[in-house]
Amino acid sequence: DVKVTQSSRYLVKRTGEKVFLECVQDMDHENMFWYRQDPGLGLRLIYFSYDVKMKEKGDIPEGYSVSREKKERFSLILESASTNQTSMYLCASSSRDRVQNTEAFFGQGTRLTVV
Amino acid sequence: AQSVTQLDSHVSVSEGTPVLLRCNYSSSYSPSLFWYVQHPNKGLQLLLKYTSAATLVKGINGFEAEFKKSETSFHLTKPSAHMSDAAEYFCVVSDRWGGGNKLTFGTGTQLKVEL
Repeated sequence: DVKVTQSSRYLVKRTGEKVFLECVQDMDHENMFWYRQDPGLGLRLIYFSYDVKMKEKGDIPEGYSVSREKKERFSLILESASTNQTSMYLCASSSRDRVQNTEAFFGQGTRLTVV
Repeated sequence: AQSVTQLDSHVSVSEGTPVLLRCNYSSSYSPSLFWYVQHPNKGLQLLLKYTSAATLVKGINGFEAEFKKSETSFHLTKPSAHMSDAAEYFCVVSDRWGGGNKLTFGTGTQLKVEL
């Protein structure tokens, strides 16, 4: 079974803290993604990466950065956490197929609360 | 730029009646399309995917979807709803972006199934 593991299910951080969310996948996937999920807004893409050290901005990258030093690990960084970053964060991975796009596999999510 | 519109934020049906969840997309290229389901406090699960083979796609739990290029639609249907189908459903478009594949989610449709 494909496994995407997020390091924490729940996190509570203070405003202004630097926050790291970690994600690891075990299927040798090229693509990895970070989304945030908010009621009524669906999942919005923050960043994605298609290879080690490669990244692309998603739809809402402001206030976030990412790091991909190894193929299996994709980290989301909140440089200075703010209350409007309180959300559910979902990591996903998928393989890069030149012919057909393949589905993404998701982690269980990290519910981050910034106080 | 690719986008997905889920036309109904909430759908309510009676158990045993048909389900229709509507999705329209826009994409510059020939996209791949997916439907995901999220049960309360659970992770995202793939229901079905379209990748330019048959236009009628069958998924798990009796769901199916039809790709209509002329209407840019990918509606999800099920002939007979079951109580266990109550969940949130997301339509997703996948397209080439940068060096990888970008997934864009709709805002979700909450399906309620009543006795």
